Amino acid sequence: NAGVTQTPKFRVLKTGQSMTLLCAQDMNHEYMYWYRQDPGMGLRLIHYSVGEGTTAKGEVPDGYNVSRLKKQNFLLGLESAAPSQTSVYFCASTMTGANYEQYFGPGTRLTVT
Amino acid sequence: SQKIEQNSEALNIQEGKTATLTCNYTNYSPAYLQWYRQDPGRGPVFLLLIRENEKEKRKERLKVTFDTTLKQSLFHITASQPADSATYLCALVGGSTLGRLYFGRGTQLTVWP
Repeated sequence: NAGVTQTPKFRVLKTGQSMTLLCAQDMNHEYMYWYRQDPGMGLRLIHYSVGEGTTAKGEVPDGYNVSRLKKQNFLLGLESAAPSQTSVYFCASTMTGANYEQYFGPGTRLTVT
Repeated sequence: SQKIEQNSEALNIQEGKTATLTCNYTNYSPAYLQWYRQDPGRGPVFLLLIRENEKEKRKERLKVTFDTTLKQSLFHITASQPADSATYLCALVGGSTLGRLYFGRGTQLTVWP
C-alpha cells in the first residue's frame, strides 16, 4: 500500500495563477483532510470531507476550494494564488470508528511569488 | 474557540533522560487526545491516543497521561535517544465534529548524546 500520496511535491506559482493539488489514498478511508502548516502556526485545517461527494470548511478555507468526486481522491484548488498561500500543504485520511488516527501524506511545498 | 498550547517550542535534553512534553487546552471537551511525531520535511506520524476516561497509556518507551480536570496531557519519552529528536504534536478529537482534529503548534525535541 502506498498510503497517502500527494502531487506535486513542490510548486512555485506567480500571484494570480491557479493550481490543483491532488491527494490520493489507497486505504479505503472515508474521511480526508487538507491542512496547511506555517512556521509558528502549527497545522491548520483548510477543508475536509466525510465521504465521497461531501466537503466542509475548516479553520482557514478562504481562497481554497475542494472536491471529492472519488472516495480515494481529494483535490485542493487555488483559483488565484496569493503570497499568503505560501505554505506546506498536507493531506490526511482516516477511517471512521478507528479513533480517528490520521495518516498524512508527505506534503506539498508551495511558494507564491 | 478551542485553544491548544504545547509547553514550549523547543526542548533539549541529554540522551538517557526522560523527556516530558505538555499539552494544555481550553474551551474544549475532547473525546480523545492524540500525539504525533513529525520529522523535518515529512508529514506527521501517529504515535498514541488516550481517551477521556483513561488516565494513562503506554507504548514501549512512550507514556501519555490525560487529566481532564486540569485540561492537560503529558507525553513522556523515557531513556531518550538522539533518534527521538523530532517535533511532537498533540491533537484533540471529539465533540460535535468527530474526525476533525485540532492541533497544537508542536514542541521540537532535541536529544543530544
